[in-house]
Amino acid sequence: NAGVTQTPKFRILKIGQSMTLQCAQDMNHNYMYWYRQDPGMGLKLIYYSVGAGITDKGEVPNGYNVSRSTTEDFPLRLELAAPSQTSVYFCASSTQGGNNSPLHFGNGTRLTVT
Amino acid sequence: DQQVKQNSPSLSVQEGRISILNCDYTNSMFDYFLWYKKYPAEGPTFLISISSIKDKNEDGRFTVFLNKSAKHLSLHIVPSQPGDSAVYFCAASVLTDDKIIFGKGTRLHILP
Repeated sequence: NAGVTQTPKFRILKIGQSMTLQCAQDMNHNYMYWYRQDPGMGLKLIYYSVGAGITDKGEVPNGYNVSRSTTEDFPLRLELAAPSQTSVYFCASSTQGGNNSPLHFGNGTRLTVT
Repeated sequence: DQQVKQNSPSLSVQEGRISILNCDYTNSMFDYFLWYKKYPAEGPTFLISISSIKDKNEDGRFTVFLNKSAKHLSLHIVPSQPGDSAVYFCAASVLTDDKIIFGKGTRLHILP
C-alpha cells in the first residue's frame, strides 16, 4: 500500500536550472496539495488541485507551476530555480479537501539550489 | 500574515506527565482544526481533529480542546511517551475553501 509517493528524495540544482518534482497517489483521492517547509517556518501551501484538470494557487505560488492531467499524478515544476526555493517539498492528498478529510503526506523531496 | 500561530517552538516534558501544545488562530472563518505529527525525514501524519461545533475531541491518549471565543486550541497528550517526541503542527481550514493552513510547529521532547 504505497499511499503518496514523491520522487526524487533529494536533489541539488544550480541557479536557473529547472526540474519537476513528481508526486503520485494510489488512493484515488481527488484532492492533492503541494507544500514547502522551510526551517522554523512550518508548511506553506504552494498549489492544490481538487480534481484532474483543475488547479489553484496557494499561499506561495510564485516560481512554481503545476498540472493535473490524471487523478493519480500532481507534478510540481520549477522553471528557473532560485536559492529561495531551497526547501523540503511535501505532496499530500485527501478524499474531500480541507474539511473533515485529513491529508496523507508523502515523505518529501529535499531540494537545494546553489 | 500568519493565520495559524504556534508560539512555542519547543517543549520538554517528563515521560508519564501531560504534554500540552497550544495553537492560536486569527481567521474566525476557520471551522475545522487538525493536529499533525512529524518525525524527521518523514511526512506529517494526521493525529486528531475537531470541528468548530465541538469544544473537545478525544482519541486515546490525545485530546484536543477548542475555545472559539479565544480563537485557541490545545492538544493534550496523557501520559507522554518517548515515541511522542516529534514536531506537532496545528492546521485549520474553512468549509467553503479547500486550502488547509498550517502553523510553524512545536517540537516536543519527552524526557526519560
